Amino acid sequence: NAGVMQNPRHLVRRRGQEARLRCSPMKGHSHVYWYRQLPEEGLKFMVYLQKENIIDESGMPKERFSAEFPKEGPSILRIQQVVRGDSAAYFCASSPPSQNNEQFFGPGTRLTVL
Amino acid sequence: AQSVTQPDIHITVSEGASLELRCNYSYGATPYLFWYVQSPGQGLQLLLKYFSGDTLVQGIKGFEAEFKRSQSSFNLRKPSVHWSDAAEYFCAVAVGGTSYGKLTFGQGTILTVHP
Repeated sequence: NAGVMQNPRHLVRRRGQEARLRCSPMKGHSHVYWYRQLPEEGLKFMVYLQKENIIDESGMPKERFSAEFPKEGPSILRIQQVVRGDSAAYFCASSPPSQNNEQFFGPGTRLTVL
Repeated sequence: AQSVTQPDIHITVSEGASLELRCNYSYGATPYLFWYVQSPGQGLQLLLKYFSGDTLVQGIKGFEAEFKRSQSSFNLRKPSVHWSDAAEYFCAVAVGGTSYGKLTFGQGTILTVHP
């Protein structure tokens, strides 16, 4: 059973461009979480999704950030018009329906904004 | 809202020495508690978790943690550290229940192991 997969592992964008981060949960997992890790900080919750539904987006910045988890395909975290402050590691985690509190993390996408 | 404090930003121990990493949480009820380890450039790996029951929890790689309700603590311990344990360790809490799993993380403790 493959683990949580994220791609790309590294992403470089110039200010003003769009960043798309992808997350494929573990097989059988229908819950996806996105976290952001700024340099020298712990992980901060961004959003919690189930298939085709956003359950909690209380950690998402109000502007430029969006997330989806379609019926088919990976979950996408989209950052529009990136700024230097968006440079961070973005981690995705997934969990099965019956064990929401045990999350399995992907390797992360490291976004660098030039 | 719940919060997690890891008082030690950086700890250095010698290989073979014992280890204790501190974690304190703030939450009105008993939360679900976790310890994760992150190697440089890698994702997080779950070491152990506490949901209920026995307050001494055994995890992978020889780690254990003890939940102390009176102290709101969930400290991680290992009797003999190996060089490969050098990494960053994160304590996390989650709101209870089976329908919600948002994790709140501490700021992490970086562990350095001297030979």
